Amino acid sequence: EAGVTQFPSHSVIEKGQTVTLRCDPISGHDNLYWYRRVMGKEIKFLLHFVKESKQDESGMPNNRFLAERTGGTYSTLKVQPAELEDSGVYFCASSQLSGTEAFFGQGTRLTVV
Amino acid sequence: QKEVEQNSGPLSVPEGAIASLNCTYSDRGSQSFFWYRQYSGKSPELIMSIYSNGDKEDGRFTAQLNKASQYVSLLIRDSQPSDSATYLCAVNMWARTYKYIFGTGTRLKVLA
Repeated sequence: EAGVTQFPSHSVIEKGQTVTLRCDPISGHDNLYWYRRVMGKEIKFLLHFVKESKQDESGMPNNRFLAERTGGTYSTLKVQPAELEDSGVYFCASSQLSGTEAFFGQGTRLTVV
Repeated sequence: QKEVEQNSGPLSVPEGAIASLNCTYSDRGSQSFFWYRQYSGKSPELIMSIYSNGDKEDGRFTAQLNKASQYVSLLIRDSQPSDSATYLCAVNMWARTYKYIFGTGTRLKVLA
């Protein structure tokens, strides 16, 4: 069974550009989460989808971040326009039931220069 | 006060010893608890989950939960150098929100 997969694994963009990250959850997992880890800090929650619905987006830092999960399958996280402080590792995780075992993808390392 | 607190370490133990990792959390409503292992530059890997008070054993790993005292711990028996990693504690409240809240992690070094 395939795990959570994320694309790209690395992205280097200039300040002001747009980047779109993609996450494919484990098949059958209705719950999809986005997290971010910036250097030296703990992993921070961004948002939670149940199927195609946003259950909780309280962790989204500002309106430059837009997450979608069309059809309740894969999800995208778009940052537009990117700022220097957006640099970090963006993780996606999925779980079968809300609040149960969540499995992480390998992450996307985003560097904004 | 942080929602989930862990000692950052490093915690150094000799090979073959028991490593004890601790985590405290602030929200009494927390319902599910998880330990993840993260090697440098890699993603968190789930190693244990626990939902009720007491001990849960899986191979060399034992998770312990005490909701009254709001702490959860992870014991690693017969520690191996390959266990050297950062161990992350995560909790989930199952109410209002189902987000996992992570501690900063404890770095474990197992000395050969």
